[in-house]
Amino acid sequence: NAGVTQTPKFQVLKTGQSMTLQCAQDMNHNSMYWYRQDPGMGLRLIYYSASEGTTDKGEVPNGYNVSRLNKREFSLRLESAAPSQTSVYFCASSYETSGRAGGKNIQYFGAGTRLSVL
Amino acid sequence: GNSVTQMEGPVTLSEEAFLTINCTYTATGYPSLFWYVQYPGEGLQLLLKATKADDKGSNKGFEATYRKETTSFHLEKGSVQVSDSAVYFCALNSAGGTSYGKLTFGQGTILTVHP
Repeated sequence: NAGVTQTPKFQVLKTGQSMTLQCAQDMNHNSMYWYRQDPGMGLRLIYYSASEGTTDKGEVPNGYNVSRLNKREFSLRLESAAPSQTSVYFCASSYETSGRAGGKNIQYFGAGTRLSVL
Repeated sequence: GNSVTQMEGPVTLSEEAFLTINCTYTATGYPSLFWYVQYPGEGLQLLLKATKADDKGSNKGFEATYRKETTSFHLEKGSVQVSDSAVYFCALNSAGGTSYGKLTFGQGTILTVHP
C-alpha cells in the first residue's frame, strides 16, 4: 500500500520556469491538499480539493494553480516560478469531506518535494 | 481565525529524559487536536489525536490531553529515545462552514535526543 506518492522528490528551477508537482493516493480518499513547509512557519495550506471535481484556495494560493484530475490525483502547478516559492511541498489526503465528521479527519502525507528556485 | 502556538525550539535532551512540548490554540467551536511527527527526510505522520475536551491521545509512549479550559494540548513522554529525534507539529481541525476540515499547524518543534 503506497499511500500518498509525490513526484518529483527534488527539483531546481530558474526564475520564470514552470513545472507541475504530481500527487497520487491509493486510499480511495475524497479530499486532497497541497501544503508548503517553510522554516519556522509550520505547514501552510495552498489549495485543497474537498472532492473530485472541486478545488478551493487555502491560506497561500498566489502563484499556484491546481487540478484534481480524478479521485486519485491532485497536481500543483507553478506557472512562473519565483525565488519566494523555494520550499518543501507536501501533498496530503483524507477520507472525510465536510460536516461534523470532517473535524476528526486524519490527513495522510506524502514524502514531499523539495523545490529550489534560483 | 484558528491558530496554534508551539513552544520555541529546538529542544535537546539526553536519552531517557522527560519530554514536554507545549501547544496552545485559538479556535472557534470544538476543534479536534493532533500531534504529527516528521522524521528526517520524510513526510508528516499522525502521532496521536484527541477529538473532545478531556480526551487523552496516546501512541508510542507519547501522550497529550485536550484541555479546553486552558486551550492546550501539550505533548509528553516519560523517557525519550534517540529514535524520537524528529520535528513535532501540533495541529487543529475545525469542521463545518468555511473551515471545512482544514488543518492549522503550529510552527513545529525540533527535538534532538543524544545517547
